Amino acid sequence: EPEVTQTPSHQVTQMGQEVILRCVPISNHLYFYWYRQILGQKVEFLVSFYNNEISEKSEIFDDQFSVERPDGSNFTLKIRSTKLEDSAMYFCASTPPSGGADEQFFGPGTRLTVL
Amino acid sequence: AQSVSQHNHHVILSEAASLELGCNYSYGGTVNLFWYVQYPGQHLQLLLKYFSGDPLVKGIKGFEAEFIKSKFSFNLRKPSVQWSDTAEYFCAVNKGGGNKLTFGTGTQLKVEL
Repeated sequence: EPEVTQTPSHQVTQMGQEVILRCVPISNHLYFYWYRQILGQKVEFLVSFYNNEISEKSEIFDDQFSVERPDGSNFTLKIRSTKLEDSAMYFCASTPPSGGADEQFFGPGTRLTVL
Repeated sequence: AQSVSQHNHHVILSEAASLELGCNYSYGGTVNLFWYVQYPGQHLQLLLKYFSGDPLVKGIKGFEAEFIKSKFSFNLRKPSVQWSDTAEYFCAVNKGGGNKLTFGTGTQLKVEL
């Protein structure tokens, strides 16, 4: 069964450094999402992406964050200057062409640790 | 803004006990409702979903959930849990049409032998 994959599984970085988290959504999916879960807290929506542009973003998704689909298969989340509070598990998800009227398929997550 | 409440944060049950996990949402319009499960060390997986039709939906592994519109609830049930059901369970809602999921805080279920 096709799966969403994410790399790396664990990223450790110094505060102020840039990180890029990578996701490969399921191949025929058209809607892509990033969520994060700070330890002990809810899974929170960050951003959704459709037709090569952001369709919705949360208050968390400020100017330090950006997303890109550089090559038709990867979907990346960039954090330009990481802060301690960016430490979290970041999940990528994708949805088939039917869009929101269907489940979101989640990747295994990238654990980001900012020191 | 929509929100989701899961009132049970930690639940401990013995094998064969019945399970009911509560989920309430606050949004007055049409919603799609989901239960996801996260087994230890694994990613979020869909247990079941409700979009329309029969408010009692059946999912994988013997789970079911009932949508009660008047109570804004979507409680998850299983008549007889197994040790392998030990996991974290998340209720989630979206407004449909390619929108974000809003998650509850999750319920950590531990099933003891």
